[in-house]
Amino acid sequence: DAGITQSPRHKVTETGTPVTLRCHQTENHRYMYWYRQDPGHGLRLIHYSYGVKDTDKGEVSDGYSVSRSKTEDFLLTLESATSSQTSVYFCAISRLLERIDEQFFGPGTRLTVL
Amino acid sequence: QQPVQSPQAVILREGEDAVINCSSSKALYSVHWYRQKHGEAPVFLMILLKGGEQKGHEKISASFNEKKQQSSLYLTASQLSYSGTYFCGTGYSGGSNYKLTFGKGTLLTVNP
Repeated sequence: DAGITQSPRHKVTETGTPVTLRCHQTENHRYMYWYRQDPGHGLRLIHYSYGVKDTDKGEVSDGYSVSRSKTEDFLLTLESATSSQTSVYFCAISRLLERIDEQFFGPGTRLTVL
Repeated sequence: QQPVQSPQAVILREGEDAVINCSSSKALYSVHWYRQKHGEAPVFLMILLKGGEQKGHEKISASFNEKKQQSSLYLTASQLSYSGTYFCGTGYSGGSNYKLTFGKGTLLTVNP
């Protein structure tokens, strides 16, 4: 499972409240990612990180911010949650195995914004 | 742009074969295949790189046609455990191979 955990695993919140999701890894991987998954859309990249304090936007970054102050933690923040951000959020890491990088996913966080 | 997967869904009987396709409008550097069961995280199956290198699941095979910018996943002698949604993720030439763009998925159902 590449040592990836996500917290919380489920969250229900109200529109307009801030929400922070945490991704934690134990294997010191450089690259970490946040995706959201919605029916009919597949997995879409929100933000990713290529090192401590080094982050970049993905294809659906509006309304989200990220931070990475330690190698092992990558935080996703919804500054003011909206109903359109109801989704399943997956964290992933990129792991180099036999010279080929592979992405491995965490267990996911189901977020409901009422 | 997202790669296009086909078919969107397929139903098989145990032991039958299936092919899932992934096509891109951009030049590809790599194609990654994942399977996701309901309520679970996607699980890595296979990666194919431009130039022919590949690594993955021993019971699943795939091809990568660089000229046509597409990949196909071959599931032979399907088992009940093959059921799930299959996603391709593509890395693009000239871009970062660490950033993948995923298709919308193909739902595979294997019945007894």
